[in-house]
Amino acid sequence: SQKIEQNSEALNIQEGKTATLTCNYTNYSPAYLQWYRQDPGRGPVFLLLIRENEKEKRKERLKVTFDTTLKQSLFHITASQPADSATYLCALGDYKLSFGAGTTVTVRA
Amino acid sequence: GAVVSQHPSWVICKSGTSVKIECRSLDFQATTMFWYRQFPKQSLMLMATSNEGSKATYEQGVEKDKFLINHASLTLSTLTVTSAHPEDSSFYICSARDEQQGASNQPQHFGDGTRLSIL
Repeated sequence: SQKIEQNSEALNIQEGKTATLTCNYTNYSPAYLQWYRQDPGRGPVFLLLIRENEKEKRKERLKVTFDTTLKQSLFHITASQPADSATYLCALGDYKLSFGAGTTVTVRA
Repeated sequence: GAVVSQHPSWVICKSGTSVKIECRSLDFQATTMFWYRQFPKQSLMLMATSNEGSKATYEQGVEKDKFLINHASLTLSTLTVTSAHPEDSSFYICSARDEQQGASNQPQHFGDGTRLSIL
C-alpha cells in the first residue's frame, strides 16, 4: 500500500538554527511533491512544489530537496524564527493529494 | 492569491442533527473541490471529490449517505453531515485548485476548516 511517512512527529529548535524535516514515501512514483504549513485550527497553506526532475528548490528561507531514488524529500527552514512554529505537511498526488501526518516544529526564542 | 472560504468555522450541536458546511472559492472558479477530515494529531484524510454539476466521488470507507455533497455552482460546494453522532466530531477542511492556472500540478488552496463537535 502507499505510504507517506514524516518520521519526526515533533522538532524543537533554537531560534536562528536550521530545521530539517524528512518525508519518505513508498509505492508512489510522483511527478512532484508538495509541502504545506498548517497552524493550529487552520487549513494548510501551500509553501513549495518540487518536480521529479528538480533536485532542489528554494523560497526565501525555505529549501526543499527531492530524491526519487531514495524516495525522500527534505525540507529545511534556515535561520528559523519563532513565527516558523507550525506543523509542516508533505503531500503527494497528481489530481488528489495524500498527506503525511506532519512534523510539528517549535522554534524557541 | 486564490482564496477559499469555509463556513461555519465552528459548530456544536446535539446528536442526530444534520450540519451543513459551505466551501466557497472567492476569486476563482473550481469545477472540482475536495473535502478532508482531520482528527487530532493525524493527517488530513481525503473524504470525497466534489464535482460541479455531477455526483461526488467518495473515497473507500466514506458513507455517501452520511456525508452528502452538493456542488451546484462553480464557486460553491457544500458538505452535509446527516444525523451526526459524536464519532463524527472532527475538523473538516475543503480545498480547491485554481483551474485557470492550467496544469494539475498546481497547489491546492484550503479553507480554514470547520470544527464540528457533536454532543
